[in-house]
Amino acid sequence: GQQVMQIPQYQHVQEGEDFTTYCNSSTTLSNIQWYKQRPGGHPVFLIQLVKSGEVKKQKRLTFQFGEAKKNSSLHITATQTTDVGTYFCAPGRNTNAGKSTFGDGTTLTVKP
Amino acid sequence: DVKVTQSSRYLVKRTGEKVFLECVQDMDHENMFWYRQDPGLGLRLIYFSYDVKMKEKGDIPEGYSVSREKKERFSLILESASTNQTSMYLCASEKGLNYGYTFGSGTRLTVV
Repeated sequence: GQQVMQIPQYQHVQEGEDFTTYCNSSTTLSNIQWYKQRPGGHPVFLIQLVKSGEVKKQKRLTFQFGEAKKNSSLHITATQTTDVGTYFCAPGRNTNAGKSTFGDGTTLTVKP
Repeated sequence: DVKVTQSSRYLVKRTGEKVFLECVQDMDHENMFWYRQDPGLGLRLIYFSYDVKMKEKGDIPEGYSVSREKKERFSLILESASTNQTSMYLCASEKGLNYGYTFGSGTRLTVV
């Protein structure tokens, strides 16, 4: 499967601060998905980006897909304690027989 | 909502035992996956299946096998459990290529 690098690995913020995680690939991606895993939970699908330069919003979360479709970012505005967890990106597969891969994730902690 | 059910939340087995982890999805999804998740190592793909009776190796298939006799059920088998297979095991299903993964709640397996 296609490999992606996710940075940073950890991020500690004060509640109300913004947060961004980045997902970078050396190759062009067909699409990218984002997932959130709460502590003790399982990954939950958040969104998929397909088009070059695409920007999607979900309340305080903004997802972007780069113009070259080689990178993506997830930005959270004014973090809350409910945002705590690990955020993973997952590049799309080219065929059903292709391996699924995930970035290593960014773990966000929020200090109240 | 799609449900992916893993048979056990916690499991303790002895070294050398044959272990079966069961996963069932209820929404006629084509693709199913088994991952293990260890601290600092992210989500690693063990095996996946894109059709009944089909199976493909993931990145770390050694020591594992799988079975998909029916579309809704995907079983992970540890032929002879070893302590280094102590981990969180996550099953996921996908409606089709790049539809997004739906994860089960996970099975935390301890091999003693």
